[in-house]
Amino acid sequence: QSVLTQPPSASGTPGQRVTISCSGSSSNIGSNYVYWYQQLPGTAPKLLMYRSNQRPSGVPDRFSGSKSGTSASLAISGLRSEDEADYYCAAWDDSLSGPVFGGGTKLTVL
Amino acid sequence: QVQLVQSGAEVKKPGASVKVSCKASGYTFISYGISWVRQAPGQGLEWMGWISAYNGNTNYAQKFQGRVTMTTETSTSTAYMEMTSLTSDDTAVYFCARANSGSSNFDSWGQGTLVTVSS
Repeated sequence: QSVLTQPPSASGTPGQRVTISCSGSSSNIGSNYVYWYQQLPGTAPKLLMYRSNQRPSGVPDRFSGSKSGTSASLAISGLRSEDEADYYCAAWDDSLSGPVFGGGTKLTVL
Repeated sequence: QVQLVQSGAEVKKPGASVKVSCKASGYTFISYGISWVRQAPGQGLEWMGWISAYNGNTNYAQKFQGRVTMTTETSTSTAYMEMTSLTSDDTAVYFCARANSGSSNFDSWGQGTLVTVSS
């Protein structure tokens, strides 16, 4: 049981816009930044979004992040086949004194 | 470019210990910490703990306290994670990731080390 809640799966067709949600509580998302990670099959996770809505260098602007209250979301516009991956949200949890992850969302590009 | 290179796959028997290494390059090692994150087969990511490469301070997830020890060797820019009393539930890929204290910002990751616990 993950501290942050994500839908287990999401899907879209090429060119579409998809959104992945991440729900937490006041001790994590409600009071700290959210980070998003992309994990392609068989590889290590890669930082996709930091401080809730900032893209690291090299991440396409098709990816965007937002946070409101105790929830956050990752949006991917102009969906491409190479976006097919697992996506994880993460945030520091003040009660646990450590970072917590969502259970991950498997994105399928139809 | 920042790079974290981990040691190779391990196969251990139940009750044994394992020590995984993570060699950093491309940045000033003592300016960051290292977190360890594991992923059981077909499962999500689980944070295990963090160590400061500057002074060796640690912060372990409660689940792993007493069974995991994280250390660093500044002379070789290498971080280590040792886990004792292994069970089949510890079968997972173990990742190291660069991170600062109090942060969920894991901006560079190692390639992962598969640890298999089997009799």
